[in-house]
Amino acid sequence: EVHLLESGGVSVQSGGSLRLSCAASGFTFTSFAMAWVRQAPGKGLEWVSSLDGDGSKQFYADSVKGRFSISRDNFNNKVFLEMRRLRAEDGALYFCVKYGYSGAAMYFDQWGHGTLVTVDS
Amino acid sequence: QTVVTQEPSFSVSPGGTVTFTCDLNFGSVSSSHFPSWYQQTPGQAPRTLIYNTNVRSSDVPLRFSGSILGNKAALTITGAQSEDESTYYCLLRVDTGVWVFGGGTKLTVL
Repeated sequence: EVHLLESGGVSVQSGGSLRLSCAASGFTFTSFAMAWVRQAPGKGLEWVSSLDGDGSKQFYADSVKGRFSISRDNFNNKVFLEMRRLRAEDGALYFCVKYGYSGAAMYFDQWGHGTLVTVDS
Repeated sequence: QTVVTQEPSFSVSPGGTVTFTCDLNFGSVSSSHFPSWYQQTPGQAPRTLIYNTNVRSSDVPLRFSGSILGNKAALTITGAQSEDESTYYCLLRVDTGVWVFGGGTKLTVL
């Protein structure tokens, strides 16, 4: 069974930095791209960043490009989101997501329960 | 800027049929956007319902189906049940490695 456990969410001052972690188990970690998706309180889902299985390709939403960095530790089955120059609008519940594959298609397959980031202005 | 649009809300009677759509602000939605759909109830993580346009995820009831209708992706619930009351999000891959969620459709079953 796939398990994704996020950690690292705390309350931080605007302009500050934070590192989120996601511990994955129950699947061959290196075979799957991973993503972070966030949800501000009372708002919809927003894709933040993705990383392929070997960590060589990273992708970011425009809203976080240049401030956030995604990485992974394939030895310890973890994925990270380094967040810098945090803004009030970055405050959200951050979900760790495992990709799924269906032929040439891909999608967001399994979701963690999220870790909450609060940014105080 | 790429925008994916969904109906903000829908209401359906128990046993009724409802179709949500997912639109792109430029061009048509096609299977190459890998349309997928997610269900979320308050306080819970999203649940994957449909991927690759029309493939049901494991344990998803047969009453949920996905399709392309005209130039939009669509999610249909045939025979809605009270437990289907949730918010539904579509997701499109708009460029290599780049994804955009729709704003979500809140479904009321009454």
